[in-house]
Amino acid sequence: AQTVTQSQPEMSVQEAETVTLSCTYDTSENNYYLFWYKQPPSRQMILVIRQEAYKQQNATENRFSVNFQKAAKSFSLKISDSQLGDTAMYFCAFMKQSQGGSEKLVFGKGTKLTVNP
Amino acid sequence: NAGVTQTPKFQVLKTGQSMTLQCAQDMNHEYMSWYRQDPGMGLRLIHYSVGAGITDQGEVPNGYNVSRSTTEDFPLRLLSAAPSQTSVYFCATRVFSVKAYEQYFGPGTRLTVT
Repeated sequence: AQTVTQSQPEMSVQEAETVTLSCTYDTSENNYYLFWYKQPPSRQMILVIRQEAYKQQNATENRFSVNFQKAAKSFSLKISDSQLGDTAMYFCAFMKQSQGGSEKLVFGKGTKLTVNP
Repeated sequence: NAGVTQTPKFQVLKTGQSMTLQCAQDMNHEYMSWYRQDPGMGLRLIHYSVGAGITDQGEVPNGYNVSRSTTEDFPLRLLSAAPSQTSVYFCATRVFSVKAYEQYFGPGTRLTVT
């Protein structure tokens, strides 16, 4: 079974600074997806960024980028130029890619990020 | 398009009561699922369905029933609520395909069982 570990329950950063959230995972699969989801106080789950395991290039979405280390099974999220609106819970998630297409998301326990003015 | 809708948004139940959490989607997604979110636990899969008439258990299915009679709806039933079922419940959908990865989440239902 796959597991996802987020070792930082809480983090804080000053507005405009950069912060990195850590995530490690355990799997014997070779084909999979990794995701970072954001959950603001509104409770809505928002997909921030995804990474396909077969791609060596790290994914980037505006101020959000990842450092994907497949051999180390590490998938960290870097937020640049932090904004007050980035204050949220951030969840790392894993999904196997299979022929059947019925695979589920496995979530880490989350990191609560606070951006201070 | 409304996307994924969940009703109710909030609910308080007494131990032993039953209720159904509703989930509906208008994106014609085959795959629908229910997660529960508890403090410090992340989201855990309860049940999922890959199409009308097909359901299967996830990681934490005990105490919950599901059925899928249409593509659009995937209700979650609590037959006899327990305090351990106090949680926030999310419905999520996606295209049922090897290449499909993006899950669309509903706004959640906060359930309290006293």
